[in-house]
Amino acid sequence: GAVVSQHPSRVICKSGTSVKIECRSLDFQATTMFWYRQFPKQSLMLMATSNEGSKATYEQGVEKDKFLINHASLTLSTLTVTSAHPEDSSFYICSASSPQTGWRDTQYFGPGTRLTVL
Amino acid sequence: QKEVEQNSGPLSVPEGAIASLNCTYSDRGSQSFFWYRQYSGKSPELIMFIYSNGDKEDGRFTAQLNKASQYVSLLIRDSQPSDSATYLCAVNMIKAAGNKLTFGGGTRVLVKP
Repeated sequence: GAVVSQHPSRVICKSGTSVKIECRSLDFQATTMFWYRQFPKQSLMLMATSNEGSKATYEQGVEKDKFLINHASLTLSTLTVTSAHPEDSSFYICSASSPQTGWRDTQYFGPGTRLTVL
Repeated sequence: QKEVEQNSGPLSVPEGAIASLNCTYSDRGSQSFFWYRQYSGKSPELIMFIYSNGDKEDGRFTAQLNKASQYVSLLIRDSQPSDSATYLCAVNMIKAAGNKLTFGGGTRVLVKP
């Protein structure tokens, strides 16, 4: 149980285009989803916290107009990187948590999306 | 001082030995503690969580929590080459909003055959 999927797993795009990444909880309803970014050889950096039906809460320094997050249902959250630039190239990982699974604040991670902006 | 600190390693362990990983945290009111394993190029996967002082065992893994000393550790018994990965300690700090976790920088473990 507690399976989280992400799509796509890998994407290459041109500078200036927008990229949408989907995160789905497959066998549970996720009350909260999180979006992280990880650069090579660095630790996870939380970008934003998303609750179903409400606006995402962004971490300091993360541009909310550049990284659009939508949490339309209890099983789906999307991250859209708008006007992507090469410095946005990174490994984007979502996680989901729910009181239904494990300890109440346990986060289960999706497999990640590797974004390369040319 | 970082909120969650781990030795970056690498921690080199011979196959079959015990790997001992430590993590300290700054928020005394922290409630929940997690260990994740992350293979290179992959996302983190949950190993176990602990929220009460003492030991918690799951297979070859044992988590140990000491809230008074503000540390949590992970022991890996009978280490295997497949255990070679980065181990992330994560803490739900009482000051954090919602279910946000604060991650340490990770300890890289190398198990040598």
